[in-house]
Amino acid sequence: NAGVTQTPKFQVLKTGQSMTLQCAQDMNHNSMYWYRQDPGMGLRLIYYSASEGTTDKGEVPNGYNVSRLNKREFSLRLESAAPSQTSVYFCASGAGLNTEAFFGQGTRLTVV
Amino acid sequence: GQQVMQIPQYQHVQEGEDFTTYCNSSTTLSNIQWYKQRPGGHPVFLIQLVKSGEVKKQKRLTFQFGEAKKNSSLHITATQTTDVGTYFCAGRKAGSYQLTFGKGTKLSVIP
Repeated sequence: NAGVTQTPKFQVLKTGQSMTLQCAQDMNHNSMYWYRQDPGMGLRLIYYSASEGTTDKGEVPNGYNVSRLNKREFSLRLESAAPSQTSVYFCASGAGLNTEAFFGQGTRLTVV
Repeated sequence: GQQVMQIPQYQHVQEGEDFTTYCNSSTTLSNIQWYKQRPGGHPVFLIQLVKSGEVKKQKRLTFQFGEAKKNSSLHITATQTTDVGTYFCAGRKAGSYQLTFGKGTKLSVIP
């Protein structure tokens, strides 16, 4: 049982490059989330998807786009990476409103 | 927007001492969750509190949800080295899928 799978695990980008972080869950969850984690800042919500076909902005959406491709997959795209986007990115999923979130292993992204 | 504040940011304790972290929301919450993140790992769910004044225990861990559903605490009795990590609270407003995390409390346990 894989749970939440994120790819890649590590990535180095040059400023201005674009890339997509992939996330897939095999728990048949309705909700999916993207967070970024920076030292001393905790986990900040970038975007979330309450169900297939819907996406909503979180606390820090600027510079990112998302796609809920189907119920399993929720991708995060950086169109033009900036050094301020250097962070650890976590994808998470949950069954519904009052349920726990299951996190992936994270993607460590460095923008130089 | 919704804010969840957590203190302290860091806590260093001798093994066997108790530890408490506190969480405060700017708005009334529908529920609050607690997560633990080991160094280099990902957040792992510990517990969810839903009812006003609720208290739940997991072995040496005691979780409380305030009467006004705006604050919460996690207390660890007689810490062990396996308790090392960062503890996060995360809150949801009623009807919202948005889960807002506190900044976490990083616990170090000195053997």
